[in-house]
Amino acid sequence: DVKVTQSSRYLVKRTGEKVFLECVQDMDHENMFWYRQDPGLGLRLIYFSYDVKMKEKGDIPEGYSVSREKKERFSLILESASTNQTSMYLCASSSPRDRGMEKLFFGSGTQLSVL
Amino acid sequence: GQQLNQSPQSMFIQEGEDVSMNCTSSSIFNTWLWYKQDPGEGPVLLIALYKAGELTSNGRLTAQFGITRKDSFLNISASIPSDVGIYFCAGMDSARQLTFGSGTQLTVLP
Repeated sequence: DVKVTQSSRYLVKRTGEKVFLECVQDMDHENMFWYRQDPGLGLRLIYFSYDVKMKEKGDIPEGYSVSREKKERFSLILESASTNQTSMYLCASSSPRDRGMEKLFFGSGTQLSVL
Repeated sequence: GQQLNQSPQSMFIQEGEDVSMNCTSSSIFNTWLWYKQDPGEGPVLLIALYKAGELTSNGRLTAQFGITRKDSFLNISASIPSDVGIYFCAGMDSARQLTFGSGTQLTVLP
């Protein structure tokens, strides 16, 4: 069964802490994405990557960075967590092949609370 | 980025009723998609549409790619309790950038 696995289901952190959210996919997908989900705002793209060591800013990259050292793993980093980063974070992957780009496979999400 | 207007924001319906929701945009999209998010899970792709006017079904779900390429509709017939969740539309533009709508929260009452 193909999967996108996010390392934590729930996380509670303090303001100012450095936070790592990990995501691993087993589908050999080139594309990986990080979204945040907030009520009434839908899914907003934070960062994405089309290849190892490659990263591109999405619509809301401020306060975040990412790392893609291996094809299967894409990490989201909050350098100094703030309360406005309390949210559900969703990782996704897709294939770049024809009619594969838009077919995202999502993880179950990490609910992050910053106190 | 681009914006999609998805409506309604939430719906409460009786089991067995039909459901309709839609997405509109001021921009043209080449692909429209509908995803469903079950409680506690990530979204899952339901239907993908690739041509203006296209009508595609997946079981009790039917989606349409609007003729203007600026809108899409999703209908669910004879709703059942497991239809509960958040439904997201998404559009892909010519630059292959994907934009999601704000979601429709569906509640099915017994």
